[in-house]
Amino acid sequence: AQSVAQPEDQVNVAEGNPLTVKCTYSVSGNPYLFWYVQYPNRGLQFLLKYITGDNLVKGSYGFEAEFNKSQTSFHLKKPSALVSDSALYFCAVRAGLDSNYQLIWGAGTKLIIKP
Amino acid sequence: NAGVTQTPKFQVLKTGQSMTLQCAQDMNHEYMSWYRQDPGMGLRLIHYSVGAGITDQGEVPNGYNVSRSTTEDFPLRLLSAAPSQTSVYFCASSYIGPYSNQPQHFGDGTRLSIL
Repeated sequence: AQSVAQPEDQVNVAEGNPLTVKCTYSVSGNPYLFWYVQYPNRGLQFLLKYITGDNLVKGSYGFEAEFNKSQTSFHLKKPSALVSDSALYFCAVRAGLDSNYQLIWGAGTKLIIKP
Repeated sequence: NAGVTQTPKFQVLKTGQSMTLQCAQDMNHEYMSWYRQDPGMGLRLIHYSVGAGITDQGEVPNGYNVSRSTTEDFPLRLLSAAPSQTSVYFCASSYIGPYSNQPQHFGDGTRLSIL
């Protein structure tokens, strides 16, 4: 079965430190991978995606993500965290051209950045 | 630039009542979808559409109906509300394109409580 796992319900980071939010996936075929962020009482906002090419993808607000095919992972990273990065982060995967456009979503990771 | 607009933002219903959640997008996106978000469960797809006149079921379609008479609008109907349908509902849209790798754009959600 196709799935996405975000193993940490919550990640706590001090402001200025690097942050990582983990995501692993299991799909058949070549995956299209996405990260979204959700601020309180708002809809999800697109951060970045991996389709093909360079394994390190850069996105909005200084975030980047590293695709690792052998480990089937797509971890979200930022070199220096800001308090304003505190939010709920979702990883999602689309299983290539046969997915009928549907995304498979992780359960979300709450990121808390402490001053 | 409105994007995806959902109405109402909040609603309280009694068990057995029916209602329609509205969703409109102004980006000429072919793909539209409805999700429900429950704590710890990420997003679950209810129904989706790949164009006017075309709809299909997602992961949790029971108790919900949709229609797509225009590209812009994709209303979600609750036929007979049940407490299990208490949730936050999100509408999303995207351009389909040739490789189905386009990000989804989300509305700000409808918070629905069924008493």
